[in-house]
Amino acid sequence: ETGVTQSPTHLIKTRGQQVTLRCSSQSGHNTVSWYQQALGQGPQFIFQYYREEENGRGNFPPRFSGLQFPNYSSELNVNALELDDSALYLCASSSGPQAEAFFGQGTRLTVV
Amino acid sequence: LAKTTQPISMDSYEGQEVNITCSHNNIATNDYITWYQQFPSQGPRFIIQGYKTKVTNEVASLFIPADRKSSTLSLPRVSLSDTAVYYCLVGEAYNTDKLIFGTGTRLQVFP
Repeated sequence: ETGVTQSPTHLIKTRGQQVTLRCSSQSGHNTVSWYQQALGQGPQFIFQYYREEENGRGNFPPRFSGLQFPNYSSELNVNALELDDSALYLCASSSGPQAEAFFGQGTRLTVV
Repeated sequence: LAKTTQPISMDSYEGQEVNITCSHNNIATNDYITWYQQFPSQGPRFIIQGYKTKVTNEVASLFIPADRKSSTLSLPRVSLSDTAVYYCLVGEAYNTDKLIFGTGTRLQVFP
């Protein structure tokens, strides 16, 4: 157990819909990073939030957006879902952008 | 960021030592080598990190030759619960804003 919790654990959405995934960071952590992991692939960095501000972004389109709250929990929002968005979405929290990251168990999103 | 190359898969039996080698020919002077373990439907878990020579912890050892162009993760006496995907990453010490995962090495341990 890392203390990083994600909800929901599983989700099925229809193409074109919007989805919000949630992450509660480990106590004392102010940094949250989001990753997308397609089946059989390694996790791909989406973006990172540090003290409520975006602190780096990977090669993902603007329909992937995020938010970090004052308690450092975070949301990942994906608009206009596409079939290729089906993946395991992982959240990792750390005590800073250059500190060890602890991953949650992920949210399995299926787009049909 | 340095690209890494690992075997796609490896098989072993319980009680054996497993060595997974990672190639990183373009490693930079400031780069560290970090290994993560991932079980199905779980997030990756940090195993070990090193810069040069040898690092050992309660889980594994990491061997890095002098030229640092490769590294070897050594798992002593594996058990069935070590069946997982192992990722080798190269970059700044923790680099949490840009962890670059490849496809990893799928280790299957048989009884």
